[in-house]
Amino acid sequence: NAGVMQNPRHLVRRRGQEARLRCSPMKGHSHVYWYRQLPEEGLKFMVYLQKENIIDESGMPKERFSAEFPKEGPSILRIQQVVRGDSAAYFCASSPDRAFGGELFFGEGSRLTVL
Amino acid sequence: AQTVTQSQPEMSVQEAETVTLSCTYDTSESDYYLFWYKQPPSRQMILVIRQEAYKQQNATENRFSVNFQKAAKSFSLKISDSQLGDAAMYFCAYRTLNTGTASKLTFGTGTRLQVTL
Repeated sequence: NAGVMQNPRHLVRRRGQEARLRCSPMKGHSHVYWYRQLPEEGLKFMVYLQKENIIDESGMPKERFSAEFPKEGPSILRIQQVVRGDSAAYFCASSPDRAFGGELFFGEGSRLTVL
Repeated sequence: AQTVTQSQPEMSVQEAETVTLSCTYDTSESDYYLFWYKQPPSRQMILVIRQEAYKQQNATENRFSVNFQKAAKSFSLKISDSQLGDAAMYFCAYRTLNTGTASKLTFGTGTRLQVTL
């Protein structure tokens, strides 16, 4: 059973470009979470999605950031008009349902570098 | 809102010795999970141990054990017989079981553990 798959692992963008990060949850998991980790900091919650629904986006910046989890295909975290402050590792996690086992299963992260 | 505090930015332990990492949290809820995750240099987040709040017995996973003090809202991690491979960032995390609340994980700021020979 493959784990949570994220791609790309590394992404370099220039200021003003768009970044798209993809996450395929573990098989059978319908809940996806995105976290951001700035250098030397902990993981900060961004958004929680189920298929075709955003459940909690309280950690998402109001502008330039969006997320989706379509009926088919991976979850996408999209950052428009990137700035240097967006440089971070972005982690996706999944779970089978709201509270099963409590644990979230994490991908290996996507590291975004903005030049 | 729940908060998780790790007051030790860095800790060091000698190989084969025991070390304890501290974590406190703040919540008004009675049902929740607590976790310790390990993040090695590869940056993969690896679950070390979990504790259900309704269980009084402290969780144990091989060399890893916790001291869960619900009334004090304390959740420390003890690593026994430390190994070089234990060197990593360790994050304490909280997750509510309240179905009326988004079930995200809330993380502390982490403790960097060094293991020396």
